[in-house]
Amino acid sequence: EAQVTQNPRYLITVTGKKLTVTCSQNMNHEYMSWYRQDPGLGLRQIYYSMNVEVTDKGDVPEGYKVSRKEKRNFPLILESPSPNQTSLYFCASSPSRVAVAGYTFGSGTRLTVV
Amino acid sequence: AQSVSQHNHHVILSEAASLELGCNYSYGGTVNLFWYVQYPGQHLQLLLKYFSGDPLVKGIKGFEAEFIKSKFSFNLRKPSVQWSDTAEYFCAVIYNTDKLIFGTGTRLQVFP
Repeated sequence: EAQVTQNPRYLITVTGKKLTVTCSQNMNHEYMSWYRQDPGLGLRQIYYSMNVEVTDKGDVPEGYKVSRKEKRNFPLILESPSPNQTSLYFCASSPSRVAVAGYTFGSGTRLTVV
Repeated sequence: AQSVSQHNHHVILSEAASLELGCNYSYGGTVNLFWYVQYPGQHLQLLLKYFSGDPLVKGIKGFEAEFIKSKFSFNLRKPSVQWSDTAEYFCAVIYNTDKLIFGTGTRLQVFP
């Protein structure tokens, strides 16, 4: 089944403790992206990647890092999480730079930083 | 700046009522338009999309949307809603790039 898999689904952590949220797609998509969803703000893009080793900042990149060493994986790294990064995170992928078919989203990761 | 506006933040309807959710985007040349739905506790799913051609687009589950270029709008409609349509609906736009810009979402509650 074609899908985007995120792990974990839920995560509670403490301020400053490094964490990684994994994202993997099995559709051979070139384009991958991370969003955070907050009430009243919709989805905001954190980082995106147009292919292996090609990443760029989205609208809200502060406090996040990403890497794209393999086409299928696009992990989101929080080096020193803070409470304002408490949010619902979605990974998405699409076949190409122009997302003709729309994006496929993962199931989300609900992160709480205390 | 490129932006997407959804003016209805929260809509409450009874089953069988008609639905129209507004979406307006700022001018920016060629656009690709989408509506996504997020059912409670789930990820976003594509409802329908518009790239070119017939401005009236039909999607899944009886939804449709009309692209009106002169009004920069892409409103979502359904003639008769069901309880199972309770969800959050997001309009999204791509402006000549690969970046998908989302509106802030409209929460729809349908009561039996």
